[in-house]
Amino acid sequence: QKEVEQNSGPLSVPEGAIASLNCTYSDRGSQSFFWYRQYSGKSPELIMFIYSNGDKEDGRFTAQLNKASQYVSLLIRDSQPSDSATYLCAVSSGGSNYKLTFGKGTLLTVNP
Amino acid sequence: DVKVTQSSRYLVKRTGEKVFLECVQDMDHENMFWYRQDPGLGLRLIYFSYDVKMKEKGDIPEGYSVSREKKERFSLILESASTNQTSMYLCASSSGPAAQYFGPGTRLTVT
Repeated sequence: QKEVEQNSGPLSVPEGAIASLNCTYSDRGSQSFFWYRQYSGKSPELIMFIYSNGDKEDGRFTAQLNKASQYVSLLIRDSQPSDSATYLCAVSSGGSNYKLTFGKGTLLTVNP
Repeated sequence: DVKVTQSSRYLVKRTGEKVFLECVQDMDHENMFWYRQDPGLGLRLIYFSYDVKMKEKGDIPEGYSVSREKKERFSLILESASTNQTSMYLCASSSGPAAQYFGPGTRLTVT
């Protein structure tokens, strides 16, 4: 059974701080990694994807991937109250790689 | 921008009714998915389709069926709705192994 694990939180950070969200996955054959943001009562929204080891930056967001450690993270710099949401990590499923396995999400709260 | 639409945002049905949830995407994506999301259980895949008239069971297909007659449209059918099918239903689409894009969701209540 392929698994994606996230700390459920809540993770609470002050406004302007760096929020660090972590995700581990069990399938070594995973190739693509995605971060979604989900506001309460809304559907998930794609914010980042990463395919290669290392860092990928997009504005205030940085995704980090370490395939050897089966670990992917999302850093949010200069956190804002509007970043308060649940963040879902998703991993492509090896062979039939159009399916994604989702973690249960980490609830982030940014305090003004 | 990818746009995925779902037929209803909120739906209330009675036990035993047949329920149709419809999803339409405008990006010519070959893959479409139906999930349900419940507190503490996360997103669970019900069915997916990688081509017109093709479908595969996901992790929790019991009590559901699907139909994909056109590439842009993927329907989820609850043959006989039960209270344990009260949930948020989310449709998504993707092209190949790329990211999935979600519709706004349908909150279904079965009474």
